Amino acid sequence: GQQLNQSPQSMFIQEGEDVSMNCTSSSIFNTWLWYKQEPGEGPVLLIALYKAGELTSNGRLTAQFGITRKDSFLNISASIPSDVGIYFCAGQKQGSGYALNFGKGTSLLVTP
Amino acid sequence: GAGVSQSPRYKVAKRGQDVALRCDPISGHVSLFWYQQALGQGPEFLTYFQNEAQLDKSGLPSDRFFAERPEGSVSTLKIQRTQQEDSAVYLCASSFGLAGDADTQYFGPGTRLTVL
Repeated sequence: GQQLNQSPQSMFIQEGEDVSMNCTSSSIFNTWLWYKQEPGEGPVLLIALYKAGELTSNGRLTAQFGITRKDSFLNISASIPSDVGIYFCAGQKQGSGYALNFGKGTSLLVTP
Repeated sequence: GAGVSQSPRYKVAKRGQDVALRCDPISGHVSLFWYQQALGQGPEFLTYFQNEAQLDKSGLPSDRFFAERPEGSVSTLKIQRTQQEDSAVYLCASSFGLAGDADTQYFGPGTRLTVL
């Protein structure tokens, strides 16, 4: 089963606002990843984090791998309508070919 | 190049029917994963292949679920005697790396299975 706790469950914001979501785990992961999923599509990788404490940006997105290796956050700055979707955190650990353990997702709605 | 493709995109089955879901991974990708995504949930791991070898099937919910990848490329997930609780989106992902490499997994669009 899933081991990751992701919050908030949903967010409803106005265009231009910043967004923050986070993920915690009872297990240590080697890698943290953030995915975005749109209706009818599979998840698409946004950011991958490989080292504890690592802070990585991808355009308006910034994510950090927690020092304890049990948590991560994702920030989206200056949100735009196309940011709408469900954001998932996922952890990887050695074994099972590095199968992904996903959180339950944060549903983001952005109004113009 | 093409991404991961899955077929059919939608499948409706009557309870008790057998279904087969197909995944075409990215050409040359060694690793292939199947995930099950229930409504409102994140994907959950079902099984993992490295080439044609099924190295982990610990996530398969019951012995009604069976997956194969006989030639190390296309994979099929088969569900026998479907039950209503099998209704979900079934996602396939592939990655270039061998076991032990945390390579990026690329997902297909999924097959939405509805069991009536």
